[in-house]
Amino acid sequence: GAVVSQHPSRVICKSGTSVKIECRSLDFQATTMFWYRQFPKQSLMLMATSNEGSKATYEQGVEKDKFLINHASLTLSTLTVTSAHPEDSSFYICSAPQGGPGQPQHFGDGTRLSIL
Amino acid sequence: SQELEQSPQSLIVQEGKNLTINCTSSKTLYGLYWYKQKYGEGLIFLMMLQKGGEEKSHEKITAKLDEKKQQSSLHITASQPSHAGIYLCGADANSGGSNYKLTFGKGTLLTVNP
Repeated sequence: GAVVSQHPSRVICKSGTSVKIECRSLDFQATTMFWYRQFPKQSLMLMATSNEGSKATYEQGVEKDKFLINHASLTLSTLTVTSAHPEDSSFYICSAPQGGPGQPQHFGDGTRLSIL
Repeated sequence: SQELEQSPQSLIVQEGKNLTINCTSSKTLYGLYWYKQKYGEGLIFLMMLQKGGEEKSHEKITAKLDEKKQQSSLHITASQPSHAGIYLCGADANSGGSNYKLTFGKGTLLTVNP
């Protein structure tokens, strides 16, 4: 069964709306989670590292004020796309490493965001 | 930064045929992960390789990491339509295999015709 739960799976909303995506680790604690973005027919692009109890670390070129990340507990990280515009439409996926080094990362099922 | 190059970009095979997907790194791989993704869905973990020369198998899928730890291959024997999807290789961006900040190849789209 799934070890990382991501919600919602699909969002369609108007331009200017803020959208929150949740990523939960099930049955394990994750002090670190990762947020990726995937464009059609392209690979995953790491956006940011979510750190429990501290600020997220963003990859170069990712707008911190556009993509707000909160990791308030050991099992939950949220990504909020603020004032979303059509160019923010994409597939967003989170992941969490289970266990120590050498253990695989588990991915959520992704969220397809469509901004009209 | 570490770059992973996958080949081929896409592959169409007849059911029952064998196939191989390659993943080449510009740097030494400290942890190489193979995932499968259905379009619009999450990633399913397949296998992880860490040691040079390591080989792992699961059902009809075998993954290898070369001795120099810069190239990995994924081999599917007697392919089935259920094998269809996007195969992604990912590697630890940090040396030492910390399992943080995976970087991914661009993926290989596999189509298996019945």
